[in-house]
Amino acid sequence: DSGVTQTPKHLITATGQRVTLRCSPRSGDLSVYWYQQSLDQGLQFLIQYYNGEERAKGNILERFSAQQFPDLHSELNLSSLELGDSALYFCASSVVSNFPEAFFGQGTRLTVV
Amino acid sequence: SQKIEQNSEALNIQEGKTATLTCNYTNYSPAYLQWYRQDPGRGPVFLLLIRENEKEKRKERLKVTFDTTLKQSLFHITASQPADSATYLCALGLGGGNKLTFGTGTQLKVEL
Repeated sequence: DSGVTQTPKHLITATGQRVTLRCSPRSGDLSVYWYQQSLDQGLQFLIQYYNGEERAKGNILERFSAQQFPDLHSELNLSSLELGDSALYFCASSVVSNFPEAFFGQGTRLTVV
Repeated sequence: SQKIEQNSEALNIQEGKTATLTCNYTNYSPAYLQWYRQDPGRGPVFLLLIRENEKEKRKERLKVTFDTTLKQSLFHITASQPADSATYLCALGLGGGNKLTFGTGTQLKVEL
């Protein structure tokens, strides 16, 4: 158990809909990262938050947004969903360090039908 | 263009042998490199980190090397066991917030 909790584990929704994925980082970790993993793209970095502030952005679509709350949990919002958004979405957290290791949650499997 | 390449084909080895996985990168200057293990349907699990000024790191049966001139890292599992079967991902730490850029992974199968 990495200590990172993601909910829900599975999500099936229709195209055009909006969903919210939730992540609770490990106790004490201030950084939260979101990754998308699909079969053809591998693990792709989406966005990072540090102590409530956006820190780095990857190839995140404009239809996607995230935030980190004062209690450090984070949410990833995906809107106007398309079939191609079907993937595993992982949240990871880490301490503040020059050489951090990332602790990943179990992921949310999103299926868009 | 920037690329991180790992063996796309699965690596099958016999129990007890040493597995060697390769990670090559181009047009990156990583501050460090990490290796993760991922089992089907689960999140990656951190294994080892090696910094740009380090040549080799060991942890139990695991060894990683890092050659910044060749832009390559090798990951070794000695005395491999069927329980080592998984996908192994290399990830580059590029600084600027510590986000990781991952390779596509190599699937390792250790057979009895």
